Amino acid sequence: NAGVTQTPKFRILKIGQSMTLQCTQDMNHNYMYWYRQDPGMGLKLIYYSVGAGITDKGEVPNGYNVSRSTTEDFPLRLELAAPSQTSVYFCASSPREGWNEQFFGPGTRLTVL
Amino acid sequence: GQNIDQPTEMTATEGAIVQINCTYQTSGFNGLFWYQQHAGEAPTFLSYNVLDGLEEKGRFSSFLSRSKGYSYLLLKELQMKDSASYLCAALDSNYQLIWGAGTKLIIKP
Repeated sequence: NAGVTQTPKFRILKIGQSMTLQCTQDMNHNYMYWYRQDPGMGLKLIYYSVGAGITDKGEVPNGYNVSRSTTEDFPLRLELAAPSQTSVYFCASSPREGWNEQFFGPGTRLTVL
Repeated sequence: GQNIDQPTEMTATEGAIVQINCTYQTSGFNGLFWYQQHAGEAPTFLSYNVLDGLEEKGRFSSFLSRSKGYSYLLLKELQMKDSASYLCAALDSNYQLIWGAGTKLIIKP
């Protein structure tokens, strides 16, 4: 049982490039989330999903896209990377919404130059 | 607006007790979470409070006062491995988590 896995661990992008951050969970959780964490700031919700085929915007969705074709996978797509997207990205999952604890992946540290 | 406030940094001594405070203002309220995050790692769940009062879990306890919009995390018998950031997060009326910036706890021998 690997929990939540994310790839890659580190990535450097040039301005205008695109990439996909991968996230997979093997706990059969319905709810999945993408957060970004900037230094000295709280986690900010980018997108979330309540089940396969259903996604919704969080607090900071601009510049990102997601899809959820299976229960296990929830990739985050960055189009036209900008320096403001330099951050640590965490994927998380939970069995149900709200009051259940969220299980986090190890994170992807992204730098846009 | 929605807001979570917690101290940026605290220092304590190994073996001592420390209390990390958190105040929150959210649109509706469905509970308060505490997570621990070691440097360079992912957050891990510590506690969840939805009713007023103190919940104890080993060396860690968490307290909630809904009327005051206030919570604290109490760590006893501090160990060096407790050096980490402690994140407070409130669940709003839409069941979205609103996160504080975290309190970096430094433990000195």
